[in-house]
Amino acid sequence: DTAVSQTPKYLVTQMGNDKSIKCEQNLGHDTMYWYKQDSKKFLKIMFSYNNKELIINETVPNRFSPKSPDKAHLNLHINSLELGDSAVYFCASSQVFSGGARETQYFGPGTRLLVL
Amino acid sequence: AQKITQTQPGMFVQEKEAVTLDCTYDTSDPSYGLFWYKQPSSGEMIFLIYQGSYDQQNATEGRYSLNFQKARKSANLVISASQLGDSAMYFCAMREGGTDKLIFGTGTRLQVFP
Repeated sequence: DTAVSQTPKYLVTQMGNDKSIKCEQNLGHDTMYWYKQDSKKFLKIMFSYNNKELIINETVPNRFSPKSPDKAHLNLHINSLELGDSAVYFCASSQVFSGGARETQYFGPGTRLLVL
Repeated sequence: AQKITQTQPGMFVQEKEAVTLDCTYDTSDPSYGLFWYKQPSSGEMIFLIYQGSYDQQNATEGRYSLNFQKARKSANLVISASQLGDSAMYFCAMREGGTDKLIFGTGTRLQVFP
């Protein structure tokens, strides 16, 4: 009965590699997000997709490319990994109501990425 | 400018006591939402409580309540009857009307001791 799931939970890789993180939600939500939590626990949004369409793209290096094959999935691909990419990456989802009414973002368990 | 400010990096509370975690926010948008999330040591982000800017009453969810003071732009989280399992990081977040992104504060680490 997992609501928002991410794989893998841990990812250890070498600098320069390319890696992907997958996210799936079974809540029927139409909007999904990627957030990054740095070593000081600060959380910042990276991207959001609504019904497979990119809505938010914060100032993220273009080495990061999100892909949404359908509204239940949002993957994050990272090219040429750098040391500074080490962080926890959270996927989240929400239902956006018409008129922008209240909606809560529900988070996945996080993916802990360590770049060596 | 900092949009969400949590001034308490750490708080201690004894089991069964109440504790207030502070959060102030800054926005000129009349429509916004305020959220609190809990992050235990296991790392997941758990939604606790929501307050809309037009809500007339303070939000409550079980032992959690939100002390919403609109004029002061504060949205403090009150946890009643603290339990050892409440030990975690707590994040305040805001979503401004018309946007879909949450802006988070820096968090408060709460430790509950017996």
